[in-house]
Amino acid sequence: GQNIDQPTEMTATEGAIVQINCTYQTSGFNGLFWYQQHAGEAPTFLSYNVLDGLEEKGRFSSFLSRSKGYSYLLLKELQMKDSASYLCAVTRQAGTALIFGKGTTLSVSS
Amino acid sequence: ETGVTQTPRHLVMGMTNKKSLKCEQHLGHNAMYWYKQSAKKPLELMFVYNFKEQTENNSVPSRFSPECPNSSHLFLHLHTLQPEDSALYLCASSQVRGPYEQYFGPGTRLTVT
Repeated sequence: GQNIDQPTEMTATEGAIVQINCTYQTSGFNGLFWYQQHAGEAPTFLSYNVLDGLEEKGRFSSFLSRSKGYSYLLLKELQMKDSASYLCAVTRQAGTALIFGKGTTLSVSS
Repeated sequence: ETGVTQTPRHLVMGMTNKKSLKCEQHLGHNAMYWYKQSAKKPLELMFVYNFKEQTENNSVPSRFSPECPNSSHLFLHLHTLQPEDSALYLCASSQVRGPYEQYFGPGTRLTVT
């Protein structure tokens, strides 16, 4: 079966660093995605990892270990606007649907 | 704005109604997707179309009927829905041969009464 796990909720303060973990077990792997979803809005693409290692994009970085079935999203210099749900998703083959985890709701306080 | 539009944004329908959801992408993509997002549940795939051909149907009940007339447009026809079908319906698009990230429309919030 397909299984993607991530914590349900996390809290952090402005200016801090937070790491959101994701573990996955899927039949086939063609990449792992992170999306951000604010309440009532559509998910927006943050990052894509298909090879092991760290991808950095401004304040956000994403890491992948294929052998461990593990990824994390690192958010630095947190801002209030980073309060959102962060979705981890895996695609098994090119051009196929994403399999999503339940999402991690991050609350950033001042 | 992601380049994917959906109409209507909100829809309330009775169990005996027939309605359609529309999605249009302006990104030159050739794969389109319907997802369902219910409270407290992960985003759930419904259908995938590659180059206008349906390639995945995630055991969706026949009261949901997709249509993809071309690579830019996707419809979801609804009839005799149940209250448990109330959810946010999201359309997405991507390139079949990469880059693989999917871009989502704003969704249609559907309420079945």
